[in-house]
Amino acid sequence: GAGVSQSPRYKVAKRGQDVALRCDPISGHVSLFWYQQALGQGPEFLTYFQNEAQLDKSGLPSDRFFAERPEGSVSTLKIQRTQQEDSAVYLCASSLIPLENTEAFFGQGTRLTVV
Amino acid sequence: AQKVTQAQTEISVVEKEDVTLDCVYETRDTTYYLFWYKQPPSGELVFLIRRNSFDEQNEISGRYSWNFQKSTSSFNFTITASQVVDSAVYFCALSTTDSWGKLQFGAGTQVVVTP
Repeated sequence: GAGVSQSPRYKVAKRGQDVALRCDPISGHVSLFWYQQALGQGPEFLTYFQNEAQLDKSGLPSDRFFAERPEGSVSTLKIQRTQQEDSAVYLCASSLIPLENTEAFFGQGTRLTVV
Repeated sequence: AQKVTQAQTEISVVEKEDVTLDCVYETRDTTYYLFWYKQPPSGELVFLIRRNSFDEQNEISGRYSWNFQKSTSSFNFTITASQVVDSAVYFCALSTTDSWGKLQFGAGTQVVVTP
């Protein structure tokens, strides 16, 4: 497709369940980002990939959060043993080249609700 | 440390009125980029503008205009002759040389335009 695609759009998980969120970036985009957006807040950075290399994971809130991009295209954000505080919209973004020379394009996000 | 402040939580206007959104940023870097994104109810963040720290020229794009003032660390956004379709949350964001891979977002300003 033409834009960044995320799936599922909505996910309800029981507390303690593991979830996997998928991001299909724009074809050819080198950089990929994950953000977490709590209700009524701005997005908060989670992690950044350049191709398959995870260059920055400083925003991941705990070791329950894990992201991968094994072939430098599709990325998966995995959350283990979900907690209620994990409820948020998870946004994925991609850019053609590193961010200093271009803008990031965002997907519509996955809304995760942990019950 | 970087910080972006959008002090206005919500602004309500009647169609055709102008609306100005404030953005104040903090960074020790001399090289950085500032962004504005629009988030309509669909949830996708839509890129509006990117401005580097060395370019203080104001910019106009249709009904949108931006006023960048390094002296006050502000990057304000004005919508002229607002329309109902402008109703959305608008985010200001910052990216710096020590963290090109991440955007530091403000909390956002909700703009409500009524007919």
